Amino acid sequence: GNSVTQMEGPVTLSEEAFLTINCTYTATGYPSLFWYVQYPGEGLQLLLKATKADDKGSNKGFEATYRKETTSFHLEKGSVQVSDSAVYFCALRPRGSNYKLTFGKGTLLTVNP
Amino acid sequence: DTAVSQTPKYLVTQMGNDKSIKCEQNLGHDTMYWYKQDSKKFLKIMFSYNNKELIINETVPNRFSPKSPDKAHLNLHINSLELGDSAVYFCASSQGGTGGLTDTQYFGPGTRLTVL
Repeated sequence: GNSVTQMEGPVTLSEEAFLTINCTYTATGYPSLFWYVQYPGEGLQLLLKATKADDKGSNKGFEATYRKETTSFHLEKGSVQVSDSAVYFCALRPRGSNYKLTFGKGTLLTVNP
Repeated sequence: DTAVSQTPKYLVTQMGNDKSIKCEQNLGHDTMYWYKQDSKKFLKIMFSYNNKELIINETVPNRFSPKSPDKAHLNLHINSLELGDSAVYFCASSQGGTGGLTDTQYFGPGTRLTVL
């Protein structure tokens, strides 16, 4: 079956620190991969996505590269801000699927000033 | 303008009651979804409709019944509420069939259901 494994949180960083949140997946074929972010008290927002191997998704200083050989889609940001504090979800959608997203368990990030 | 909206935002009710959550999207999307987020933030899909037709029905108790009066609305009705139904329920929508590989789901703000 399809599954997504994210590093367990919580992750606590100081402002301007480097962020990596690991995400690996199991899927048949080549899925599309997504990172969603959930700010406190809000719904999920798409942060970035990639649809094929070696694609790099980027948005708001965050990046993730679709690595087929390691079945990974790690999220990185060079310098985090307090406003980046949120829960981050990695997700996949299998190719040819009926649009069902499978999510990882989420990683809570707290950035301190 | 709110793209995906849900009502109510908070719902507190007693065990055994029946309640509904409403969802509307103004994005012109063909596909809508309901997700359940538990206390540990784990998100799991429950249902999906495409053009008012049910296309995903995960292993969900039949006390939960989705209804799509038109493709802009997907409501969730829950009968005989139980303590374990307490969670945040998110509605989402996407282009669906014509969205292709980059089909993106847009989420509503969530409805926090508390069953006492």
